Amino acid sequence: GEDVEQSLFLSVREGDSSVINCTYTDSSSTYLYWYKQEPGAGLQLLTYIFSNMDMKQDQRLTVLLNKKDKHLSLRIADTQTGDSAIYFCAERITGGYNKLIFGAGTRLAVHP
Amino acid sequence: IAGITQAPTSQILAAGRRMTLRCTQDMRHNAMYWYRQDLGLGLRLIHYSNTAGTTGKGEVPDGYSVSRANTDDFPLTLASAVPSQTSVYFCASSGGSGSNEQFFGPGTRLTVL
Repeated sequence: GEDVEQSLFLSVREGDSSVINCTYTDSSSTYLYWYKQEPGAGLQLLTYIFSNMDMKQDQRLTVLLNKKDKHLSLRIADTQTGDSAIYFCAERITGGYNKLIFGAGTRLAVHP
Repeated sequence: IAGITQAPTSQILAAGRRMTLRCTQDMRHNAMYWYRQDLGLGLRLIHYSNTAGTTGKGEVPDGYSVSRANTDDFPLTLASAVPSQTSVYFCASSGGSGSNEQFFGPGTRLTVL
């Protein structure tokens, strides 16, 4: 079956690195995404990684993909209070439409 | 400003009433989607449309219907609302870019009493 799992909560100190983890079950995933949701807002794409890549870096964000273990992580360097939000992992499943399976979301709290 | 708009922002509705949530995009994206977001469950797909004139069922379609008369609009209708349909509803669209990114609207918070 198709399932994406994430831990629900992460608390970090401002300036530290945050690592948000995600596991997925469908080995046919083509793209994996990280979306950010701020309070009262919709989801915004933060970054994505194609399934044939192991790592992608984009400024403070580093995505690591371990296809063997079906594990995806998002590292945020020098975490700031503005990074406080819910982060959703999603996998794209091949098929008749652009189907995304979302995790339940990880709430990141950044404290001084 | 290009993007997706949803209306209303929030709504309180009596059970049994009919309600249509509106979604409009100006990015000329072919595909559009409706999700509901519930605490601890992430986003679940209700219905989708690959292109104008076609629609399909997602994971949780029961109690909802959609139409896609043109590229820009994708309304979601609850024919007879029930309390379990209390949720935040997000509309999204995608335009077939390399990453197949889905762009999300700001959401509609619906409470059914």
